[in-house]
Amino acid sequence: DQQVKQNSPSLSVQEGRISILNCDYTNSMFDYFLWYKKYPAEGPTFLISISSIKDKNEDGRFTVFLNKSAKHLSLHIVPSQPGDSAVYFCAAGAGNQFYFGTGTSLTVIP
Amino acid sequence: DAGITQSPRHKVTETGTPVTLRCHQTENHRYMYWYRQDPEHGLRLIHYSYGVKDTDKGEVSDGYSVSRSKTEDFLLTLESATSSQTSVYFCAISESLGGLYEQYFGPGTRLTVT
Repeated sequence: DQQVKQNSPSLSVQEGRISILNCDYTNSMFDYFLWYKKYPAEGPTFLISISSIKDKNEDGRFTVFLNKSAKHLSLHIVPSQPGDSAVYFCAAGAGNQFYFGTGTSLTVIP
Repeated sequence: DAGITQSPRHKVTETGTPVTLRCHQTENHRYMYWYRQDPEHGLRLIHYSYGVKDTDKGEVSDGYSVSRSKTEDFLLTLESATSSQTSVYFCAISESLGGLYEQYFGPGTRLTVT
């Protein structure tokens, strides 16, 4: 069973608008969460993370929100740029293990 | 960019043959990981290492073994490859295991088992 789910396989957004990528998880023991960005033929690269003791973390155009009661994580990108077009993976960790979602392919339209 | 290389980058092999993938790092990070990426499952942890000769199983370890005889090298072996092991394999490294941290990923190895 998938412990981390990204239910939207793809998302298209106009340049300059907000991109919102969502992630749901099932295990309440997860205590940290991360977002990775992946371009074709490359490995994922770290984007932003958040601890379970926080509900928001911001880094430039990227903000991650955590709603523990709903077991829901979201990544906001404002403003979206064409270079943001990539696959985004959310991941959740507990102890020594990370669990990844299946990814959301974001396309930012110029 | 973190210094992580994977070899080979592409491999086609036949069912039943042994295959070894290599991950090499120049960052001297303690922790190393092997993941496989499949469209319907995302990235899944196969095995990880927390030091030389110290390894542990991940979510999908059946059919895979690993070895780490030096800090910089982490090998993933498929003793007898099966078609279900066709996938893209990523190695990752990190400095710390607990708390907030990031993993640096290698470029990936595309393995096809025919």
